[in-house]
Amino acid sequence: GQQVMQIPQYQHVQEGEDFTTYCNSSTTLSNIQWYKQRPGGHPVFLIQLVKSGEVKKQKRLTFQFGEAKKNSSLHITATQTTDVGTYFCAGSAQGGSEKLVFGKGTKLTVNP
Amino acid sequence: GAVVSQHPSRVICKSGTSVKIECRSLDFQATTMFWYRQFPKQSLMLMATSNEGSKATYEQGVEKDKFLINHASLTLSTLTVTSAHPEDSSFYICSADSRGALTDTQYFGPGTRLTVL
Repeated sequence: GQQVMQIPQYQHVQEGEDFTTYCNSSTTLSNIQWYKQRPGGHPVFLIQLVKSGEVKKQKRLTFQFGEAKKNSSLHITATQTTDVGTYFCAGSAQGGSEKLVFGKGTKLTVNP
Repeated sequence: GAVVSQHPSRVICKSGTSVKIECRSLDFQATTMFWYRQFPKQSLMLMATSNEGSKATYEQGVEKDKFLINHASLTLSTLTVTSAHPEDSSFYICSADSRGALTDTQYFGPGTRLTVL
């Protein structure tokens, strides 16, 4: 079945450094979503990408959807302590049931 | 690694009937489980937070009498859609929080597709 791999599993950075998490699907995706879970909270929707090669920005966050629609990345520029949390990607297989398959998440810690 | 299962994966029922969806953490204890609903091509919408041994906390706009949640043990939470109607047709996903365990992360179930005729 469809699998979504996310790397790295953990990332520790100094405040001000950049951070990137990568998401790779075993199948072509119709769309990909990104969620952020703060410590002690629940995953919160960040963004959805639909088009091949799409790039979207939210302040210091840049989201990319690969040309083949099988991979995606989330890049944070100049991390802040408020960026701490776990970032999940989730994709729906193209031509499939629109079922969301989640990656295992990347846990980001930021040293002030 | 930790696995969260949901049962059934797919259910079709008649309008007016009740449907129970189970969410189980298979190799870890989950004091907290979350229930989400996903409409087609949209993001997850958090419905409620389920805590073992206590009443669930529902998000604004979610009817607690309509969507009954029971977290009877550290490995099982159930969502019962009572008197289901076609507008309840959706994809329901649970996630289990292994907070306090070694890995301390969130694991998502595979989801349940509910179709109400």
